[in-house]
Amino acid sequence: QVQLVESGGGVVQPGRSLRLSCAASGFTFSTYGMHWVRQAPGKGLEWLAVISDDGSNEFYADSLKGRFTISRDNSKDMVYLQMNSLRGEDTAVYYCAKDSSVYSQQYGMDVWGQGTTVTVSS
Amino acid sequence: DIQMTQSPSSLSASVGDRVTITCRASQSIGSYLNWYQQKPGKAPNLLLNLASSLQSGVPSRFSGGGSETDYTLTISSLQPEDFATYYCQQSYTTPMPFGQGTKVELK
Repeated sequence: QVQLVESGGGVVQPGRSLRLSCAASGFTFSTYGMHWVRQAPGKGLEWLAVISDDGSNEFYADSLKGRFTISRDNSKDMVYLQMNSLRGEDTAVYYCAKDSSVYSQQYGMDVWGQGTTVTVSS
Repeated sequence: DIQMTQSPSSLSASVGDRVTITCRASQSIGSYLNWYQQKPGKAPNLLLNLASSLQSGVPSRFSGGGSETDYTLTISSLQPEDFATYYCQQSYTTPMPFGQGTKVELK
């Protein structure tokens, strides 16, 4: 079945880095744009980034100020989120999600992972 | 950047009620508007995209409408499993923000 599984979350000190991974299965990964979304405790959803199906285009939320980088490896059906200079406000559940239409990033996210929790604390 | 304003932030309703949630974009988004439902501790679930296109498996009591900057999500007859938080999101251009969410609670 179509599935996304995130990993790599944990407790990290402020200022450190962390890389999240998302393993995809059950669909032709290389034909879909992929997103990262986060949700801080008790808060709403925050869209973070999207990468095009072939990895040639990346777009980010302004709030990330260049600290995060999205990437993908279509040979491994994986998408990543490299997070640098982490702050307390980055504490959240991080979700990867698949766009609902092939070769697009514009039709909403129809498959989501279960989320991985990142806690930034000293 | 486009901002999304969703209202109300919460509402109380009874089973069988008709419920409407509104989402306004700060500029025209050409119907690139998505609606999600999220239940506590779970990932969001896409209900509709392109403002009014119901996703497979989503009950027909959910409907969406609107154009340009103003959009609505309507639940025609609220069911017990519909008590959740609903988010709109624009996907017309990046960045692709969500609205603040609307929590639908039992009256």
